[in-house]
Amino acid sequence: QQPVQSPQAVILREGEDAVINCSSSKALYSVHWYRQKHGEAPVFLMILLKGGEQKGHDKISASFNEKKQQSSLYLTASQLSYSGTYFCGTGGINDYKLSFGAGTTVTVRA
Amino acid sequence: EAQVTQNPRYLITVTGKKLTVTCSQNMNHEYMSWYRQDPGLGLRQIYYSMNVEVTDKGDVPEGYKVSRKEKRNFPLILESPSPNQTSLYFCASSFSGDRPEQFFGPGTRLTVL
Repeated sequence: QQPVQSPQAVILREGEDAVINCSSSKALYSVHWYRQKHGEAPVFLMILLKGGEQKGHDKISASFNEKKQQSSLYLTASQLSYSGTYFCGTGGINDYKLSFGAGTTVTVRA
Repeated sequence: EAQVTQNPRYLITVTGKKLTVTCSQNMNHEYMSWYRQDPGLGLRQIYYSMNVEVTDKGDVPEGYKVSRKEKRNFPLILESPSPNQTSLYFCASSFSGDRPEQFFGPGTRLTVL
């Protein structure tokens, strides 16, 4: 069962903030976030584990609400380099099967 | 250089003609996986392998086969390709354990006519 991401797309000006949400219908053990630029392979951003702490990567951070089976990715003071499609991947107690959402396309304009 | 390689990068074939897409990693990763990417559907896992001779189905395994005879290689086999398998395919690998950052290959664009 694929997690549901929202919004599908967002357009930002440099310096603005955005939030991407990821919801699952099943109990989660882990949430993985990846970014894919056009024509390239996905690149790992961060992973959040059940019972773990909120993570950060430069000005990109994420939270994991285990009870709600949701994760949110926060883009703070966005830069042009943040443009791309962001995917969340969710894993159950066994991380090895991973289900990704459909993606959120982020466009940052000068 | 640590990397995941896939071959071929582009392939156009016809319905029913068996094909294999190879995937190889040089990072001594235990875990390997295949995904397909289609517009509006994101990445969907086809098969994954936790180690040599250990494979399991992902979300969309129908029409695909895999094998893991060596740790570094994880080929994807389409025994009788159909047009609905036209897609962009990615192979990925990672260590096992609590922090499985996956490294993706460059992708293989497959067209089945």
